[in-house]
Amino acid sequence: GAGVSQSPRYKVAKRGQDVALRCDPISGHVSLFWYQQALGQGPEFLTYFQNEAQLDKSGLPSDRFFAERPEGSVSTLKIQRTQQEDSAVYLCASSHGLAEYNEQFFGPGTRLTVL
Amino acid sequence: AQSVTQPDIHITVSEGASLELRCNYSYGATPYLFWYVQSPGQGLQLLLKYFSGDTLVQGIKGFEAEFKRSQSSFNLRKPSVHWSDAAEYFCAAGFQKLVFGTGTRLLVSP
Repeated sequence: GAGVSQSPRYKVAKRGQDVALRCDPISGHVSLFWYQQALGQGPEFLTYFQNEAQLDKSGLPSDRFFAERPEGSVSTLKIQRTQQEDSAVYLCASSHGLAEYNEQFFGPGTRLTVL
Repeated sequence: AQSVTQPDIHITVSEGASLELRCNYSYGATPYLFWYVQSPGQGLQLLLKYFSGDTLVQGIKGFEAEFKRSQSSFNLRKPSVHWSDAAEYFCAAGFQKLVFGTGTRLLVSP
């Protein structure tokens, strides 16, 4: 079966451009997570959805970051007016969402480079 | 604040030797605990997880981890390392959102 997929795999943006990163979770997974992984660091939580509801967005670093999951499946992370500090790998993960199935399955990530 | 600490940035182990990667966590309540492995250009792959019960957890690829509540630790072990184990290893803790450590890069020497 298909795992979590993300597109594009690589994105280069000029400073000030808007970007949109897509995540396709595993079919039937209720929960979806976005993480940001800077070079040489561990992933850091950005936001979390359960179905279409965004239950936690405490990790979004600024109001330039926006995430949505309108139909409870595919999710998009949008970054407006990109800055050089936004350069990172953006990881998406999905899980069943039940306590005993809290394992998160990660996608390959989108590497964003802001010039 | 919730945090996960992996004190070793790099570890080099000879092929066939044993391995232990350290992880300590700071959390209000005992969280779920995870070890993930990340190879270059790949996503994170779950090695094993601890939710409750037996404190010695078996995972994939011959890895195991031991949860020690008194030490707030969840160290990863493998009795005999293979060259293909060279990768970045992340410890994580949480219930829904995960808090990750900064990772330990494992190098395997011939």
